[in-house]
Amino acid sequence: DVKVTQSSRYLVKRTGEKVFLECVQDMDHENMFWYRQDPGLGLRLIYFSYDVKMKEKGDIPEGYSVSREKKERFSLILESASTNQTSMYLCASSIPGLAGEQYFGPGTRLTVT
Amino acid sequence: DAKTTQPPSMDCAEGRAANLPCNHSTISGNEYVYWYRQIHSQGPQYIIHGLKNNETNEMASLIITEDRKSSTLILPHATLRDTAVYYCIVSLFPHAGGTSYGKLTFGQGTILTVHP
Repeated sequence: DVKVTQSSRYLVKRTGEKVFLECVQDMDHENMFWYRQDPGLGLRLIYFSYDVKMKEKGDIPEGYSVSREKKERFSLILESASTNQTSMYLCASSIPGLAGEQYFGPGTRLTVT
Repeated sequence: DAKTTQPPSMDCAEGRAANLPCNHSTISGNEYVYWYRQIHSQGPQYIIHGLKNNETNEMASLIITEDRKSSTLILPHATLRDTAVYYCIVSLFPHAGGTSYGKLTFGQGTILTVHP
């Protein structure tokens, strides 16, 4: 069975902290994605990666960075957390030939105080 | 990507077919229709996609009109576990590769409530 896991379901951090959100997939997928989901705004793409060490900005990359050192792992980094980054963060993966068929993790609800 | 329009909410009785409509009147010839759902407190789940022809898998059927301006997702025998938000998405897939990425723009979707 396809599986995408995220390091935490719930996370509380203080303003200004550096935050790492980890995502691991066990399907040998090349593509990996980070989204955030906010009420009334739907899911918005932050960053994606189509190969190890490759990354592309999505629609809302400001305030975030990513790291992909291994194929199965894609990390989202909040360099200096702010309250407007309080959100649900969702990771997904897919294969290039079926890039629209994405498999999502359970999400991390991040609260920045 | 083309914009989609879905009703904000729908109800369905358990065991009956749930038919979820989606309008995508500005869809272009090479854009696919995707359906996802999101059960409360979980990540979105891929259901099905199609280009022109009707499609069926173990979860649902997708009916696309001949002019491709609208589609209907059919859950043939809805259960309580099908209660979720259903998203209809139009995008340039599935054959993206290289630097073309899987950009899926999720709107507000349709809240489907299945009643006993």
